[in-house]
Amino acid sequence: GAGVSQSPSNKVTEKGKDVELRCDPISGHTALYWYRQSLGQGLEFLIYFQGNSAPDKSGLPSDRFSAERTGGSVSTLTIQRTQQEDSAVYLCASSLVWVVGRNEQFFGPGTRLTVL
Amino acid sequence: AQKVTQAQTEISVVEKEDVTLDCVYETRDTTYYLFWYKQPPSGELVFLIRRNSFDEQNEISGRYSWNFQKSTSSFNFTITASQVVDSAVYFCALSGPPQPRLNAGGTSYGKLTFGQGTILTVHP
Repeated sequence: GAGVSQSPSNKVTEKGKDVELRCDPISGHTALYWYRQSLGQGLEFLIYFQGNSAPDKSGLPSDRFSAERTGGSVSTLTIQRTQQEDSAVYLCASSLVWVVGRNEQFFGPGTRLTVL
Repeated sequence: AQKVTQAQTEISVVEKEDVTLDCVYETRDTTYYLFWYKQPPSGELVFLIRRNSFDEQNEISGRYSWNFQKSTSSFNFTITASQVVDSAVYFCALSGPPQPRLNAGGTSYGKLTFGQGTILTVHP
C-alpha cells in the first residue's frame, strides 16, 4: 500500500491477557519505529528496527513488551499480561532514515488499546 | 538528553487570523533535525516539514511558514489566514543524526522526541 498500515485499529482486552499489534511499513522503508501516545505521557518512543534487528529498545517500558520484525517488513508489538496503564494508542512509523535528507517518519493510523 | 517544549497547550483563533505555534528545543547533538507534524481529529500524524540543523533558511509553503533560529533554539510555525480545516493538534519533534555518533557514546537512530503538542482550534 501507499502508507503505513496498522491492525487492529481498536483492541479491547481484559487485564492479564496478551495482545499483538501489527505494523506494515511503507514498501522499501528499512527503518521502523514504534511509539505510544497516551494522555499523561504524550508521544513516547518505544523501539526502533533497522531491517530485522532492533538496535534501540530503550523505550520499552517493561519486559512485558517485546517486538519483532520479519523479512525487513512487517513488525509485531506484543504486550504480555496487559495492565490498565498499557491503555494508549500505539503508533508505528517508517522512514528511509539511512538516506541523507530523507529521514522524515511517516506514521500509521495507530492501534487504540483499551485494557479493562 | 533531548527535549522539546511547546509552551502553548491550546490556542483558539477565528478564521482568517494568523497564528504562530512556538517550539523550543534542547540537544547536545551538533547535527539534528526538527519536524512539525499535524494530528487532525482523525488521529493520524501527518508530516509537515523537516529542517536540518545546518540549514537555517526559513521556509514557506502556501499558508504555512517556519522560522528556524538556532541562536534561540526555536523552530516556530506560522499559519497565515487560518481556516477551520487547520484545527488539529500540532507536534514539534526533534531527532539526532540517524548514524552512530563518532565522538559520543550511543546513537539516536533518528528516533523522535516530541513536544507535548498544541491544540489549535479555528472557529468559523
